[in-house]
Amino acid sequence: GQQLNQSPQSMFIQEGEDVSMNCTSSSIFNTWLWYKQDPGEGPVLLIALYKAGELTSNGRLTAQFGITRKDSFLNISASIPSDVGIYFCAGMNYGGSQGNLIFGKGTKLSVKP
Amino acid sequence: EAQVTQNPRYLITVTGKKLTVTCSQNMNHEYMSWYRQDPGLGLRQIYYSMNVEVTDKGDVPEGYKVSRKEKRNFPLILESPSPNQTSLYFCASSFRGADGYTFGSGTRLTVV
Repeated sequence: GQQLNQSPQSMFIQEGEDVSMNCTSSSIFNTWLWYKQDPGEGPVLLIALYKAGELTSNGRLTAQFGITRKDSFLNISASIPSDVGIYFCAGMNYGGSQGNLIFGKGTKLSVKP
Repeated sequence: EAQVTQNPRYLITVTGKKLTVTCSQNMNHEYMSWYRQDPGLGLRQIYYSMNVEVTDKGDVPEGYKVSRKEKRNFPLILESPSPNQTSLYFCASSFRGADGYTFGSGTRLTVV
């Protein structure tokens, strides 16, 4: 099935540093979503993007819908220990079913205090 | 409180013994979905439903069944579980799909 390539797989950073991660697809997407998963919990939606070029912020998090519609980026500024977790990108194919949400394999973020 | 509730949280079973994982949402969402999460593979969609009596296969439907007889419930059925179905399962629901799914807390299934 359709796969999203998410990178990096993992990151180890110092508290206060900025973080960048990205996701690419071989086909055009009309929706990009970013989720965070804490240990032992289900993923929680952080940011939703619906338009090519769109830049959306949620506190210290900023995500962009790539202009080609085949990629998306998530930035976290001034990281803090509670940012630790797994971040997933997810998307829906252009012309595909609304319910068919595809996930990347995740970026595991570790933050050193 | 708006939530997706799945049960049980943990389940250990033997190969071939039919089981059902229940899922219920109280948000009047149209869409519901099941995912499995495995190390290094991320979240893979098993089945999803766009409304009552309307379901479709995701990326990994083999060995699973679902039903959507009521809007709030979307059980996942494993008719004959096998060890390769050992995984962490998530149920999720959404108002219109593209607005993103709200996830339950997960069911950790072990098939021995």
